[in-house]
Parts: sequence; C-alpha cells; structure tokens
Amino acid sequence: AQSVSQHNHHVILSEAASLELGCNYSYGGTVNLFWYVQYPGQHLQLLLKYFSGDPLVKGIKGFEAEFIKSKFSFNLRKPSVQWSDTAEYFCAVGVQNNNDMRFGAGTRLTVKP
Amino acid sequence: DAGVTQSPTHLIKTRGQQVTLRCSPKSGHDTVSWYQQALGQGPQFIFQYYEEEERQRGNFPDRFSGHQFPNYSSELNVNALLLGDSALYLCASSFASEQYFGPGTRLTVT
Repeated sequence: AQSVSQHNHHVILSEAASLELGCNYSYGGTVNLFWYVQYPGQHLQLLLKYFSGDPLVKGIKGFEAEFIKSKFSFNLRKPSVQWSDTAEYFCAVGVQNNNDMRFGAGTRLTVKP
Repeated sequence: DAGVTQSPTHLIKTRGQQVTLRCSPKSGHDTVSWYQQALGQGPQFIFQYYEEEERQRGNFPDRFSGHQFPNYSSELNVNALLLGDSALYLCASSFASEQYFGPGTRLTVT
C-alpha cells in the first residue's frame, strides 16, 4: 500500500544536540517530497522541498534534508537544535503533480533548554 | 497579502447533522485542497479543486463533498456527521506546486 512512514513519534533533545528525523515512502514513480512544521498554536508551514536535482536540499531555519532514491527516504536534519524548534514535523509526498499530497503521522520534537 | 483563511475557527455539531466549512485561498492561487487531521495524526487528503472541478480525491466517502467558486474560494460539505468526523479540517491553496495551509477549522461532533 502507498504510505509515508515517520519512524519517530516523539523525540526529546537538549539544545545544541543534532537532529535527524526519518521519513520513508512507498510510492512508485515520480514524487515530490516535503517537510512541513507545525509550531504550537500555528498552522503548517513549509520547511523545505525536493522536486529534482541536488538530493541535498536546504530549507529555512538551518534545516536540511537528503533524498536517497534507492532507500525511498527523505530524512530531515539539523546540526544544532534550539528550544524554538519545538514543534510537530510532518513529512509529505506529492504524487500526480502534487494533486494528491500524502502525509506521515508526524514526529513531535521537544527541545529542552 | 492575506494567506489562506478558513471559517469558522471552531464548530460543534451533532451526529447526523450537516456542516459546511469555507476557505479563501492565498492571493494568486487557483487550486484548493482539503485535508482532515485527526488528533495525533498527519493530515489526510480529502480532495482537490481546480477550475471549479474536483481534480483528485482521496479515500473519503461521498458524504464529503466540495465546491469551488469562480473566485477560487472553496467549501467543504460533510453530510450525516459521525463522531469519527471530529477533526481539524485544513485547507491548502497552491499555484503550480507548493501548498500553503490555512489555520484550519476544528470540528467537534457530539
């Protein structure tokens, strides 16, 4: 079945720790990949996206993600997290020219000051 | 420039009733998508509207229907509400590829 899997439900880190959130998808064909963030009380915002080209993409606020086609993965990374990164992070796959966006269940990140 | 707006913010309905949610897209956007986000889950795609037609649909029953108006705004209608329809309903607008999300409408069915 077509799906988007986020491996971690809740991640707790201390400030300055490194972050990696896993995302795997099972769609065949051409897909576009996204990471969205939802800060407490706010709506979903785009962190970064991959359509084609360099598989290492950089987004806002120091986040980056690497597309590994052979592993159907698009993991999110940040070298040093801040307390303000506390939020819910969603991986999403756009199929059929993004007419159909499929989201993972989300990973809640808590950064302790 | 206002982003995506949705109304109402919150709504409480009783089982069996019908509900209409509204969405105004970001300026310049012609495509509107609707999502259902249950508590603790990621958004699930309901359908997408473009040029006043439903272009793509997710795995939702016919009780969920929609409409897009000539000004690109959109409505989501849900008939015969079930307790399981309680969720945050998100609208996203786009032009070409990137989707911008609204704040959502919190629907509670009692």
